[in-house]
Amino acid sequence: QVQLVESGGGVVQPGGSLRLSCAASGFTFSSYGIHWVRQAPGKGLEWVTFIRYDGSYTYYADSVKGRFTISRDNSKNTLYLQMNSLRAEDTAVYYCAKDRYSGSDIDYWGQGTLVTVSS
Amino acid sequence: EIVLTQSPGTLSLSPGERATLSCRASQRVSSSYLAWYQQKPGQAPRLLIYGASSRATGIPDRFSGSGSGTDFTLTISRLEPEDFAVYYCQHYVNSRLTFGGGTKVEIK
Repeated sequence: QVQLVESGGGVVQPGGSLRLSCAASGFTFSSYGIHWVRQAPGKGLEWVTFIRYDGSYTYYADSVKGRFTISRDNSKNTLYLQMNSLRAEDTAVYYCAKDRYSGSDIDYWGQGTLVTVSS
Repeated sequence: EIVLTQSPGTLSLSPGERATLSCRASQRVSSSYLAWYQQKPGQAPRLLIYGASSRATGIPDRFSGSGSGTDFTLTISRLEPEDFAVYYCQHYVNSRLTFGGGTKVEIK
């Protein structure tokens, strides 16, 4: 079965950096795009970024553009999110999520990893 | 930028009742790119409906989606105890996803 397991969350000071990882299994990782979606405590869902199946294209929400970088290693079935210049408003649970078809929606989600930006 | 507005914010219903959730887009959107998700406390979201009306794998037929243009609806024909949750609509355009603010379906 499809599994997405995020790791790397934690507490970081404003202005700091963190790298999240997402280990995928149960499907042909190299054939699917992957999203990161976040959810601030008690709030709704916010799309963060998307990478195509081969890493050729990446897309970002305006709120993270220039600060976050998505990448993937298809030989390791792993997705990454490098987060720099973190702000308090980046505090959220970060989900990695498998694209169902051409980036249009998400059919599988990980359980999420919590990132807290606080001094 | 397309904004998705979900209403009502909270829906208080009893098991067995029919739930009707609305998602309104700020401009006309393609039905092909409208999805609905369910999220329970402490869990990741789950895809219910894609393409406005197609049920995802394993989703019971009491869930149905409809609509076009700017107005979309998720209907739960008869609420089961496990259906009390938050529901989000989502749209895709230009390789970006947008989510509505959510509707909480709570037990009356």
